[in-house]
This record gives sequence, structure tokens and C-alpha cells, in this order.
Amino acid sequence: DAKTTQPPSMDCAEGRAANLPCNHSTISGNEYVYWYRQIHSQGPQYIIHGLKNNETNEMASLIITEDRKSSTLILPHATLRDTAVYYCIVLSGGGADGLTFGKGTHLIIQP
Amino acid sequence: DGGITQSPKYLFRKEGQNVTLSCEQNLNHDAMYWYRQDPGQGLRLIYYSQIVNDFQKGDIAEGYSVSREKKESFPLTVTSAQKNPTAFYLCASSIVGRSSYEQYFGPGTRLTVT
Repeated sequence: DAKTTQPPSMDCAEGRAANLPCNHSTISGNEYVYWYRQIHSQGPQYIIHGLKNNETNEMASLIITEDRKSSTLILPHATLRDTAVYYCIVLSGGGADGLTFGKGTHLIIQP
Repeated sequence: DGGITQSPKYLFRKEGQNVTLSCEQNLNHDAMYWYRQDPGQGLRLIYYSQIVNDFQKGDIAEGYSVSREKKESFPLTVTSAQKNPTAFYLCASSIVGRSSYEQYFGPGTRLTVT
């Protein structure tokens, strides 16, 4: 699976859009980009995933560049409850062999 | 409500004792997983199971054991052979197939061994 690079921390003002970048320059054609988040001392929560096209759900939007070497997770109207560590991971589409998280980005929403 | 339950939330044990962590799910998922998380670190996979009565070792299985006698349950035993058992343990489940990486996590058990 391709490695990812994320900034260790970011700040965002409450009510503004939070844009979290992720680089995955070695991604291969059949690998998906997944995003999870983990609020302090809780289990991780799945947010969204995509292959090529941009994706949107009730939690966030995922923008994947045309060359697929990077992506951005967008939380459109950040709230204090969005303060968490956000993990970007790249995985092949099939299989049930578990996830490996790196250190992610610690997003802090400021009031 | 469908979900994953882990109990207890906090667990304290003396060194040299085996301890079993509980994980139950009512999501009708075939696959279940155990992860370990150390302070400031990401997740590391201990064991996973895609079907009842079958399971595979993950990246850090040494010192741990599991069983999968029922679809809903996947208990993890931390044995005395695990050198550094103090950690946050997370259980997860998923369907098997293209969305296998869309995993649902329990609230975790924080184990402290002294």
C-alpha cells in the first residue's frame, strides 16, 4: 500500500472550512484514499473514501487531484467537536486484512 | 442501536497475569479486528478474522491470542508473554468485500499492567 504524508497539526476557526491535505505520490491505479478521524480517547471513525472522483457525504468532501498524487479532506463548517486526529490512508479496494494508521494530522478547531 | 461494544473501558492487571478483553458487535459483520494504539501513535493490527472459527495474525500478534466461536464475538487475550501490554486496545468490524476498509470501531479498552 502507498505511503501518505500529512502535516502533524493544523488550526481552523470554528465555522470555517477545514482543509486537510494528504500527499500520496506513489499511489497505484487500484488504490483508494480513505479518511478516518479519532477524537481523543475514542475509537476511530470512518469519514469518507474515494478512488478518482471527488466524493461528498454528510460529514465531509474529498477532493482528489487529477494525477491522484494528493487529496484534500474538507470539513465545510468546522465545529469544536471536529477537533481530532485525522488519518489519510491509501488501500487496495478488496480484502479484509486490517488498517495501518500513521500519525495523522491533529486538527484543532479554535472558538 | 447497532454497534460495537468493548468492555471494560479501563482494566488494571498485575504483570504475569493473562487478561481477556471483550468485543461484541451486532452489525452482522463477518470481519472483526483487534488493534493496539500506544500514546501519540497510530494503530497497529494484532489479529483479524474474516469468518467464524478462522483468524489471521496481524503485524504484532506475538503475546496475544484470539478466538472467533461466534460471528458476534471476538475476544482478545493478552498473555504474560506480551512484553509491553499497557496500551489502548481497539476492536473493529466490517463487511467483507470492496468496502472492507470501512471499519466500525468500538470505544476501546485502556489496559494498564503494573
